[in-house]
Amino acid sequence: EAGVAQSPRYKIIEKRQSVAFWCNPISGHATLYWYQQILGQGPKLLIQFQNNGVVDDSQLPKDRFSAERLKGVDSTLKIQPAKLEDSAVYLCASSLDLRGAGELFFGEGSRLTVL
Amino acid sequence: GNSVTQMEGPVTLSEEAFLTINCTYTATGYPSLFWYVQYPGEGLQLLLKATKADDKGSNKGFEATYRKETTSFHLEKGSVQVSDSAVYFCALGKSGATNKLIFGTGTLLAVQP
Repeated sequence: EAGVAQSPRYKIIEKRQSVAFWCNPISGHATLYWYQQILGQGPKLLIQFQNNGVVDDSQLPKDRFSAERLKGVDSTLKIQPAKLEDSAVYLCASSLDLRGAGELFFGEGSRLTVL
Repeated sequence: GNSVTQMEGPVTLSEEAFLTINCTYTATGYPSLFWYVQYPGEGLQLLLKATKADDKGSNKGFEATYRKETTSFHLEKGSVQVSDSAVYFCALGKSGATNKLIFGTGTLLAVQP
C-alpha cells in the first residue's frame, strides 16, 4: 500500500516570497491533516479536512496561509508571503475518517527554510 | 488547555538497556493517549495507544500504561536495540475528537551497540 506522498522534500525561499506544498494521501482516506513542526517542538495542527470540506482551521494563520482539497483527494498548502518564523517542516497526514481511533499516517514532510 | 509534556532528550543508552521516556498530560474530559515514533528519514508512525484509564498499549516490545491518577503515559522497553534509535512523540487525542492530536516536543533516543 502506498503511503502519504509529499513534495517538495526541501524548499529554500526568501522572506516575502510564496511557496506551495503538495500532499497525496493514502487511497480511500477521507480525512487529511496539515501539521507544522518547528525545530525543537512537536507537530502542531494547522488544518484538517474531511473529504473536501474544512473541519478545523482554527490554528491556520489565514492572513498568509491557505489550503485546499478540491476533489477530496490531493491537497495543497500555500504560504504567501512567507516570514522567517515559517521555517519548519510541514507534515501531511491522513486517516480513514474523523474518528479513526487516533491512527494517522504521516508523510515524510516538506522542510521549508525562509531566509 | 490540553497539553503534553515529555522528557527532554537526547537519551543515550547501550544496547539491551532498559528504557523509560516520561510523558505527562493536562486535559479536560477523557482523552486518548498515543506514542508515535519517527525513524531517521521516515514519517511519524503510530507505535501504541491507550483509550481509557488503566489501559496498557503495547507494540514491538514497547509498553505504556494510561495512569489517570498521575496523568502519565510513560513509554518503557525492557531491552532496547540499535534499531530503536528514533524520535518518540507522546500525543493526546481530544475528547470527542480523537483524531485531533496534540503532540509533545519529542525525545530523541540513541542506542549504541
